[in-house]
Amino acid sequence: GESVGLHLPTLSVQEGDNSIINCAYSNSASDYFIWYKQESGKGPQFIIDIRSNMDKRQGQRVTVLLNKTVKHLSLQIAATQPGDSAVYFCAESKPSGTYKYIFGTGTRLKVLA
Amino acid sequence: DAGVIQSPRHEVTEMGQEVTLRCKPISGHDYLFWYRQTMMRGLELLIYFNNNVPIDDSGMPEDRFSAKMPNASFSTLKIQPSEPRDSAVYFCASSLRVGASNQPQHFGDGTRLSIL
Repeated sequence: GESVGLHLPTLSVQEGDNSIINCAYSNSASDYFIWYKQESGKGPQFIIDIRSNMDKRQGQRVTVLLNKTVKHLSLQIAATQPGDSAVYFCAESKPSGTYKYIFGTGTRLKVLA
Repeated sequence: DAGVIQSPRHEVTEMGQEVTLRCKPISGHDYLFWYRQTMMRGLELLIYFNNNVPIDDSGMPEDRFSAKMPNASFSTLKIQPSEPRDSAVYFCASSLRVGASNQPQHFGDGTRLSIL
């Protein structure tokens, strides 16, 4: 069936280092991908999105890479800070504007001081 | 800017009671989504609305669950009667359609529901 999965459930990174969070998706028809950050007791917070006509998109300290050949999505966080500690979710959406997301299981990012 | 507002933030009630969760989407957004999050199943879409009309309720677990959107600024998710297995965090999200393209959904901070 369709699924969006994450390779690493927990990622520990030293403060100041770069973080890379990975996500695999299975539906080649998906054309929109999005990353969320969820802190304890809060709702998912939009970080960055990318459409299938792009390979890379940059935001403030974050970069999303999309490899459609192997159906892989990654989120890179530069100079990781303690405030980046959270659970990160990727999600995919199929075309036709259904607006339904399929969420991955999440990766917990721990930033070590 | 005001984000998605949900109430109550926490709800503890006994099995069999009616539970009503409330959501105010971001002003101007025309899509509203209800999700449930548990450790076992992650984030699950329950139902979503477009311009106050339910579009897809295939994620609603059973007839005990119902959702309404009487106007563009308010939606409710009701569980009657509630059961312990309904315990979860319920999120509301909204988004704005731009042409036929997907746009980010913006989430509220959720209602943590505990059914005893």
